Amino acid sequence: GENVEQHPSTLSVQEGDSAVIKCTYSDSASNYFPWYKQELGKRPQLIIDIRSNVGEKKDQRIAVTLNKTAKHFSLHITETQPEDSAVYFCAASKAGGYQKVTFGTGTKLQVIP
Amino acid sequence: ETGVTQSPTHLIKTRGQQVTLRCSSQSGHNTVSWYQQALGQGPQFIFQYYREEENGRGNFPPRFSGLQFPNYSSELNVNALELDDSALYLCASSLKTSGRDEQFFGPGTRLTVL
Repeated sequence: GENVEQHPSTLSVQEGDSAVIKCTYSDSASNYFPWYKQELGKRPQLIIDIRSNVGEKKDQRIAVTLNKTAKHFSLHITETQPEDSAVYFCAASKAGGYQKVTFGTGTKLQVIP
Repeated sequence: ETGVTQSPTHLIKTRGQQVTLRCSSQSGHNTVSWYQQALGQGPQFIFQYYREEENGRGNFPPRFSGLQFPNYSSELNVNALELDDSALYLCASSLKTSGRDEQFFGPGTRLTVL
């Protein structure tokens, strides 16, 4: 089955700096890669996703890149703000069919004011 | 908010008991997945239901079972509770049509097994 590894497990950045979280996946058939933000005690919220026919996607301060050959994908947050502090999860699945989503282990991001 | 609700919010059970958790999917969503999230971990896939039938299962024993109803609600049942079943249980609904893959999570049920 699919295995998703995520690094780093914790990340501290100064407000205004950029943050990068990296994930690798094992199943070459995976073609849908969502990223979730989970604040303490709350539900995971989808912040951005990318499909395998696209190499990069951007939404304001958030961008995701995908390297299918290397089975790597990354989340980039620019101009970080204290409200970006949360746990971020990457995930992988096969779109359109049986939608089992495999999550990474999470990155706790702390933005220091 | 996602339009997905879960009940109860919190639940305390003792080892060996049985529990039923409920989820109300976003209207029109024909697929619901259930996840177990232990403290400090990512969500782990339990199973998925599509049009009231189990559509796939993760590495969870048969004492974890589910139901999906025509009114977009679903249940997760856990028999013979064990201490390790203590976790946040999340349901996520989606619409299984071409090009639509987003899952929308409910707020979760925090289960504590003593």
